[in-house]
Amino acid sequence: GQNIDQPTEMTATEGAIVQINCTYQTSGFNGLFWYQQHAGEAPTFLSYNVLDGLEEKGRFSSFLSRSKGYSYLLLKELQMKDSASYLCAVINRDDKIIFGKGTRLHILP
Amino acid sequence: SAVISQKPSRDICQRGTSLTIQCQVDSQVTMMFWYRQQPGQSLTLIATANQGSEATYESGFVIDKFPISRPNLTFSTLTVSNMSPEDSSIYLCSVEIGGTPYEQYFGPGTRLTVT
Repeated sequence: GQNIDQPTEMTATEGAIVQINCTYQTSGFNGLFWYQQHAGEAPTFLSYNVLDGLEEKGRFSSFLSRSKGYSYLLLKELQMKDSASYLCAVINRDDKIIFGKGTRLHILP
Repeated sequence: SAVISQKPSRDICQRGTSLTIQCQVDSQVTMMFWYRQQPGQSLTLIATANQGSEATYESGFVIDKFPISRPNLTFSTLTVSNMSPEDSSIYLCSVEIGGTPYEQYFGPGTRLTVT
């Protein structure tokens, strides 16, 4: 089967750093996405990893280890507007995108 | 990037009726998709909307229940037919844009409640 696991909820403090983990088991691998989804809104693209390593984009970084079936999204200098759900999604060998259930991140002042 | 709009943004429908959701993109795109996001669940791909031919449905979704049209490269519709309360969900269209491989952009979604 195809499975993507990420924590259901996390809480962090404004100004801090938070790491959201994602593990996956899929039929093949052609890339991994992270999306941000604010309540009642559509998901917005954050990052795409296809090779091992860290991709940095401003306050957000995404890491991938294909051998471990593992990724994380790192958010630095947290702001209140970062309160949202973060979706991990994997493209399998059939080019199908499979989404995790998302991690709801709460930011405390 | 792309600007994607959906109509309606939300609707409350009676069971047994049908609703057609429209998706409009501000530029021509090759790949358009329809997803469903049930409360507390992940996004699930319903089908790929193919221009000029029948949509490609994922396992568990059939054309009779979710007919899709794609008359051109900027527009698609999804119909939810013979609705039941289990169809209450958010329906989103998305498009794949060239450039970064597989980068997908989502419409704002249609929140459907079936009573």
